[in-house]
Amino acid sequence: GDSVTQMEGPVTLSEEAFLTINCTYTATGYPSLFWYVQYPGEGLQLLLKATKADDKGSNKGFEATYRKETTSFHLEKGSVQVSDSAVYFCALRASGYSSASKIIFGSGTRLSIRP
Amino acid sequence: DAGVIQSPRHEVTEMGQEVTLRCKPISGHDYLFWYRQTMMRGLELLIYFNNNVPIDDSGMPEDRFSAKMPNASFSTLKIQPSEPRDSAVYFCASVGGPNQPQHFGDGTRLSIL
Repeated sequence: GDSVTQMEGPVTLSEEAFLTINCTYTATGYPSLFWYVQYPGEGLQLLLKATKADDKGSNKGFEATYRKETTSFHLEKGSVQVSDSAVYFCALRASGYSSASKIIFGSGTRLSIRP
Repeated sequence: DAGVIQSPRHEVTEMGQEVTLRCKPISGHDYLFWYRQTMMRGLELLIYFNNNVPIDDSGMPEDRFSAKMPNASFSTLKIQPSEPRDSAVYFCASVGGPNQPQHFGDGTRLSIL
C-alpha cells in the first residue's frame, strides 16, 4: 500500500544552519505530496505542496521538489530560525481517489533550533 | 475565517467514564476527519465523513469508539468506556474542495487516569 518514510528525529541545528529533512514515498500513479508543520500545542498546518513531478513547493523559505525518479520530496531551508522549531510531517494523497480523500502521513520529524 | 474548532482543549477523566470530543468544521467543508496522535504510534486516521456520511472507519480501534456527524457543522467522537491507553491528542480536520489541504483544529488533549 501507499506509504511515506521520513527521517527520524530529533534534528537539532544552530540558528542560520541549512536544513534538510528527507522524505521518500511509495505510491502507484501520481500522488500529490505535502509538508505539514505542527507547532507546540497546535494542530497541523499545511506548509507547502506539489501535485506533479518536478513541481517545487515553497513557503516561508522552505522548499521541496517532487522527484518521481527517486520517489522523494525532501524539505530544505537555507537558514533556519528558532521559530522554525516544530514537528514536520511529510504526507501524500493518492492519485485516482477523490481529491479530498484521506492523506497518508509520515511519522514526523522533530526539529529544534538553538539560538 | 474561523478555523476548525474543537472542544474541550483538555480533558482529564477517570478510567471507565464516557468521553465526548466535539468538532465544528469550517463552514462549507464537506469532508471531516478524526485523527489520534501519540508518541508511540504517531498520527493515526480514525474515521472520515463525506457530506455527514461515514466513508472509512477502519482506523477506529475498537467498539468502545464511535463517531457521528448529525449535520454539516458538528461531529462528535465518543469513547465509552474510556481506558488509560486512550490517552492521546485527538485532532479533527476538514477539507473544502478539490486539491485543497486539510485544515486541522488545535486538538483535544485527553488523559485517562
